[in-house]
Amino acid sequence: AQSVTQLGSHVSVSEGALVLLRCNYSSSVPPYLFWYVQYPNQGLQLLLKYTSAATLVKGINGFEAEFKKSETSFHLTKPSAHMSDAAEYFCAVSATGGKLIFGQGTELSVKP
Amino acid sequence: DARVTQTPRHKVTEMGQEVTMRCQPILGHNTVFWYRQTMMQGLELLAYFRNRAPLDDSGMPKDRFSAEMPDATLATLKIQPSEPRDSAVYFCASGLGGQVKETQYFGPGTRLLVL
Repeated sequence: AQSVTQLGSHVSVSEGALVLLRCNYSSSVPPYLFWYVQYPNQGLQLLLKYTSAATLVKGINGFEAEFKKSETSFHLTKPSAHMSDAAEYFCAVSATGGKLIFGQGTELSVKP
Repeated sequence: DARVTQTPRHKVTEMGQEVTMRCQPILGHNTVFWYRQTMMQGLELLAYFRNRAPLDDSGMPKDRFSAEMPDATLATLKIQPSEPRDSAVYFCASGLGGQVKETQYFGPGTRLLVL
């Protein structure tokens, strides 16, 4: 069975600082991994996804994530945080039939 | 810009009442998912359909929840009778193909409060 663990329910960074949101997965088969972002009172929007084509995946809004099989990780990074990045971020693994299994989410705060 | 739409966006009801939530998937998408988001449980899958057929509804309380797709452009989630513990945000998502690497597109959600 697949599962996802996000380390840190809340991360706070200063504007312009590096953003690092951690995600570890467990999967008995090669995983397909996703990062979604949720802004307040909105639905989830895809940031990026890993589908085995390349281990470093670039997404929207300057985010990227690196798939590391040896570490079973898929951490999300952005070199320089912007105030507009404040939101909740969800890591997910795709299971049979395409359904998503989500982590608990990480709320990102950006301080001016 | 194709989007998943959900109605209503907000619903306040009293315990015991029936609640119906509707979802219009992106035109051409053949897979529809219903998720529920709560503070305690996070995001959890309730049910999903492919080509209008239910594939998995193991996440739904069977005695009170039901999900259907009357046609390819409409998915419904009903709760009867509703209970305070059903208070949550319910998301619909749609996708094309149903393969494990396919992207799911989420609607804005229905925020349900059961008093």
